[in-house]
Amino acid sequence: GAGVSQSPSNKVTEKGKDVELRCDPISGHTALYWYRQSLGQGLEFLIYFQGNSAPDKSGLPSDRFSAERTGGSVSTLTIQRTQQEDSAVYLCASSPGNNSPLHFGNGTRLTVT
Amino acid sequence: DQQVKQNSPSLSVQEGRISILNCDYTNSMFDYFLWYKKYPAEGPTFLISISSIKDKNEDGRFTVFLNKSAKHLSLHIVPSQPGDSAVYFCAATEIGDKIIFGKGTRLHILP
Repeated sequence: GAGVSQSPSNKVTEKGKDVELRCDPISGHTALYWYRQSLGQGLEFLIYFQGNSAPDKSGLPSDRFSAERTGGSVSTLTIQRTQQEDSAVYLCASSPGNNSPLHFGNGTRLTVT
Repeated sequence: DQQVKQNSPSLSVQEGRISILNCDYTNSMFDYFLWYKKYPAEGPTFLISISSIKDKNEDGRFTVFLNKSAKHLSLHIVPSQPGDSAVYFCAATEIGDKIIFGKGTRLHILP
């Protein structure tokens, strides 16, 4: 079956613009995670969903970042008024539930100019 | 405050020898641990995991060892192959909570 799909694969935007990143998880996976990887850095946790609710939003860097998940499936990560430090690869992953490995998409490379 | 630490940013190993990647964690409540491998421009792919009720899990060339008293785990790859050159991430979680990753170790397999 299809894996985790993220779109767009690449996004270049001007500083101050809003961007929306999309994640289609594997069908039936209840957990959905967003991470980001800045140049030369590890995987930084942003937010995760169980179903449509987000038990932990502690990783969101600022109030410019928000995420939602509808119908227990697709998720969107929105960054408002983008800054250059937001440039990174944004990775989405899903899993069937507790103590199950995450399956990652290939990420969205965001460049803020 | 990093809860999962991979203190070696990079490691070089001769082809055919054993690669040992190390990971330390600080949260004693973590009960499930995972290793991922990442190639450039791709998402991380799952390699192997271990539950806190075990101290060893083996899958082909990959073995993960868990030392709960030391809050330490390691991934052994033997024999190392050229295709093993990648960034390896250690991750940990407490059941029902988020999965936290380390910063990764870049493994170079030398011919």
